[in-house]
Amino acid sequence: EAQVTQNPRYLITVTGKKLTVTCSQNMNHEYMSWYRQDPGLGLRQIYYSMNVEVTDKGDVPEGYKVSRKEKRNFPLILESPSPNQTSLYFCASRNTGELFFGEGSRLTVL
Amino acid sequence: AQSVAQPEDQVNVAEGNPLTVKCTYSVSGNPYLFWYVQYPNRGLQFLLKYITGDNLVKGSYGFEAEFNKSQTSFHLKKPSALVSDSALYFCAVSSTDSWGKFQFGAGTQVVVTP
Repeated sequence: EAQVTQNPRYLITVTGKKLTVTCSQNMNHEYMSWYRQDPGLGLRQIYYSMNVEVTDKGDVPEGYKVSRKEKRNFPLILESPSPNQTSLYFCASRNTGELFFGEGSRLTVL
Repeated sequence: AQSVAQPEDQVNVAEGNPLTVKCTYSVSGNPYLFWYVQYPNRGLQFLLKYITGDNLVKGSYGFEAEFNKSQTSFHLKKPSALVSDSALYFCAVSSTDSWGKFQFGAGTQVVVTP
């Protein structure tokens, strides 16, 4: 089954404690991206990657890092999380058309 | 810079009546336009897209959308709404000039009453 898998699905952490949200896709897509969803703001793009070792900033990259060492994986790293990064995060991949989304990761930073 | 506007926070419609969710956009280059739906505590499901070709696009679950270049709009429509269509709908845009960048609208909550 074609899918985008994110882990963890739910996480509560504390300010400053580094965390990584993993994302993996099995569709051999070159393009992957991360979004955060906040009420009233829709989805905002954090980072995207056009291919292995190629990443670029989206609209809200501050406080986040990404890496793309393999085509299937695109982890999102929060080096020092802060409460304003409490959000619902989505990973997505794309061939040439629409985005395929993961189920989301709900992150709470206390 | 590209942007998307969904002017209505919420749309209320009675079951069986036509449903319209509005979306306008701004891009440089040619637009790629998408509609997604989100049910509570779920990810986003793709409904339909406009890349090129016919201005009227048909998608999943009986939804369709019309690309209007002069009005820079891509409104989502369904001729007869179902209670199960109640969900959060997002319009999104990418473009030939910014293929990697996606902008989403703020979302429109659709409430279909029996």
